[in-house]
Amino acid sequence: GAGVSQSPSNKVTEKGKDVELRCDPISGHTALYWYRQSLGQGLEFLIYFQGNSAPDKSGLPSDRFSAERTGGSVSTLTIQRTQQEDSAVYLCASSFATGTSDEQYFGPGTRLTVT
Amino acid sequence: SQQGEEDPQALSIQEGENATMNCSYKTSINNLQWYRQNSGRGLVHLILIRSNEREKHSGRLRVTLDTSKKSSSLLITASRAADTASYFCATESYNDYKLSFGAGTTVTVRA
Repeated sequence: GAGVSQSPSNKVTEKGKDVELRCDPISGHTALYWYRQSLGQGLEFLIYFQGNSAPDKSGLPSDRFSAERTGGSVSTLTIQRTQQEDSAVYLCASSFATGTSDEQYFGPGTRLTVT
Repeated sequence: SQQGEEDPQALSIQEGENATMNCSYKTSINNLQWYRQNSGRGLVHLILIRSNEREKHSGRLRVTLDTSKKSSSLLITASRAADTASYFCATESYNDYKLSFGAGTTVTVRA
């Protein structure tokens, strides 16, 4: 079956513009995660969804970042008034559930470059 | 913040040799997972070891976990050029849902 998909694969935007990143998880996966990876670094957790709700938004780096998930499926990560430090690869992952030691399946990521 | 730290940061070996990398973490965990990343994009899950397990095998991969030392190791035996990638350990804590990743070990396998 299809894996986790993300779009766009690459996005170049000017500083100050808003961007939307999309994640389409594996069908039937109730948990969805967003991570950010800066160049040469490990992954930084941003936000997690269980169904449509986000119990923990503490990883979001600023109030310019927001995310939503509708219908328990597709999620959108929005970055408003982008800054150069937002440049990174944004990775989405999904899993069947949480707290059950399920592996997370990752998408290919969206490489965001803010000029 | 990152919980896991991998060691070494980079590793270069000859094809056919074994590659060993280590991961240390700070807080109690429910499980520890190893992922591989090619070309800075999506991660592929390699193996998961639970806190009550000490060793696990999957093909040419061998993972150990020492919860008393809060450390894990990943051994890749008989390495191949296709094993060239970055390898990350990630920990899942009790009553938590997110994975905490280390900065990774970059492995280069020379033909």
